[in-house]
Amino acid sequence: DQQVKQNSPSLSVQEGRISILNCDYTNSMFDYFLWYKKYPAEGPTFLISISSIKDKNEDGRFTVFLNKSAKHLSLHIVPSQPGDSAVYFCAASDMTTDSWGKLQFGAGTQVVVTP
Amino acid sequence: DTGVSQDPRHKITKRGQNVTFRCDPISEHNRLYWYRQTLGQGPEFLTYFQNEAQLEKSRLLSDRFSAERPKGSFSTLEIQRTEQGDSAMYLCASSLAAGSGNTIYFGEGSWLTVV
Repeated sequence: DQQVKQNSPSLSVQEGRISILNCDYTNSMFDYFLWYKKYPAEGPTFLISISSIKDKNEDGRFTVFLNKSAKHLSLHIVPSQPGDSAVYFCAASDMTTDSWGKLQFGAGTQVVVTP
Repeated sequence: DTGVSQDPRHKITKRGQNVTFRCDPISEHNRLYWYRQTLGQGPEFLTYFQNEAQLEKSRLLSDRFSAERPKGSFSTLEIQRTEQGDSAMYLCASSLAAGSGNTIYFGEGSWLTVV
């Protein structure tokens, strides 16, 4: 079963504007969430993460918001740049020792930043 | 470069042949993971090691797949009697053990095409 869902397969945004990517999860045991960016034929590159003790984490142009009660997180990219065009994956894990690193991924959202 | 390294990057093989992929993790990381990604999907967990011990295997990992991590350093993933359904990108990742802020870093991936 798909425990992490990214319901928008694609997103087109104008350069300079905000990109908002959404992710929903079903497993209440998940307490650590990560966003990865992926270019074709390359491995995923880590962007930003958040643990369940926080509701927001910011790193430069990237901010992740977590709403635990709704089992929902979002990634905001401001301002969007052409180099941000890639597939973005949401991933979740729980931090118990045995399960750490067993990431459940969403299917990804293809972001295209237009001039 | 001190990131996760995978070899070969691309492999084309005939159905029924055996293939082996190698992964060199980030040197201080004691956890090493293998994932598989097919087109249009997020990466799927296959197996992971803590040091040299293989702690879990996904049900996705059939008997034709075997992974090793001798001496807790590099790892190999072997696929015997390859089938066309094995065509995918095989991703290796590494991390420190569980702990807040210990993220999971991926390699560039190894593309397998079975013809």
